[in-house]
Amino acid sequence: QSALTQPASVSGSPGQSITISCTGTSSDVAGYNYVSWYQQYPGKAPKVVIYDVTHRPSGVSNRFSGSKSGNTASLTISGLQAEDEADYYCSSYTSGTTLEVFGTGTKVTVL
Amino acid sequence: EVELLESGGGSVQPGGSLRLSCAASGFTFSSYAMNWVRQAPGKGLEWVSRISGSGATTYYADAVKGRFTVSRDNSKNTLFLQMDSLTADDTALYYCARRPRTAMIDYWGQGTLVSVSS
Repeated sequence: QSALTQPASVSGSPGQSITISCTGTSSDVAGYNYVSWYQQYPGKAPKVVIYDVTHRPSGVSNRFSGSKSGNTASLTISGLQAEDEADYYCSSYTSGTTLEVFGTGTKVTVL
Repeated sequence: EVELLESGGGSVQPGGSLRLSCAASGFTFSSYAMNWVRQAPGKGLEWVSRISGSGATTYYADAVKGRFTVSRDNSKNTLFLQMDSLTADDTALYYCARRPRTAMIDYWGQGTLVSVSS
């Protein structure tokens, strides 16, 4: 089972919107609405910001939103802030030989 | 407050074994499936294993299948990961994580570091 594909880095200026893609296959992203997104600061454990493709956990800023089209899921961060600078990972349920798979990770830089 | 505290990491030679533990508190442990997720130094997250709340069902990543065994003791609110035939590729920070729904983790421990080298 290969990792889901994410861009290595995405950057934006404060106030802008950025979108991070997460590309999989019919066995994972395209086949199920079980995509989550995690934010991870250096040296810290990840934190979920989106689950079930579009749902935002309680306490997570509404600047974070998720979507999916075909085999690609996306995380959009609106009104980019300095505190959004972190690594972001997608994950998906998979019907492959394993159960769940993470994306390769994207480093978000706020210019 | 939900807390997950991993222990058992350390340095081991290739071919060796380690047993990781994760002590859970602040929630009804037996009601939740649990994951192990690892992160090699400077690398991304990698899902390792999942066990159901009762312990009856387990799943493994291809990279560890046949070498790692996940288990739990619901009477002691503790999750385990037995790791055998370790290789350098298993060097990573191992996280214990609560899985309330499919492909979603809501709480993570701080991780325990496993280093495999000769």
